Amino acid sequence: DAGVIQSPRHEVTEMGQEVTLRCKPISGHNSLFWYRQTMMRGLELLIYFNNNVPIDDSGMPEDRFSAKMPNASFSTLKIQPSEPRDSAVYFCASSYGLLTGELFFGEGSRLTVL
Amino acid sequence: ILNVEQSPQSLHVQEGDSTNFTCSFPSSNFYALHWYRWETAKSPEALFVMTLNGDEKKKGRISATLNTKEGYSYLYIKGSQPEDSATYLCASARDDKIIFGKGTRLHILP
Repeated sequence: DAGVIQSPRHEVTEMGQEVTLRCKPISGHNSLFWYRQTMMRGLELLIYFNNNVPIDDSGMPEDRFSAKMPNASFSTLKIQPSEPRDSAVYFCASSYGLLTGELFFGEGSRLTVL
Repeated sequence: ILNVEQSPQSLHVQEGDSTNFTCSFPSSNFYALHWYRWETAKSPEALFVMTLNGDEKKKGRISATLNTKEGYSYLYIKGSQPEDSATYLCASARDDKIIFGKGTRLHILP
């Protein structure tokens, strides 16, 4: 298996632009997590899907952030409009099971908003 | 404790020495405790997932213990090697979330 695949690996954009990050989880995994990593806050949970259904999105910073999982093999995290404070590394992780399966992380998408 | 706290933040250990560090987590509504190793320029990789009070898990020179009643877990590394240099993250699974601590950054000195 190729593991969790994220794209793009790097994105540089200007303030106000829409950003879409993509994630393909490991086949057979039924849980998918989006995390944001910053120096100040470490790894922050943004949203968690189980069987394609959002279970907890309380970590999504504000209405500018949205996430979807239209099927078991694809998820997107969208920021519209983007702001400089959104600059971070965004990780997608998948697992089998609810909260007791180990997480398999993608390589991350490094976002820079100018 | 409402957050996941790890200590120390950073640790320097001589090669060959053994070491340990702590993860404190909310004991209420406990579901599982995860440990991950995060090497520079890579992604976090799972070490252990523990669910039962008193659980003890081992992988090579690394082991972990769990106390769910008081809300703490210890990670032990025996005979540190240069390849052990990494950030070690713990994560608490409760209330439909998996929340990470900020990690312990381990540096192995030759």
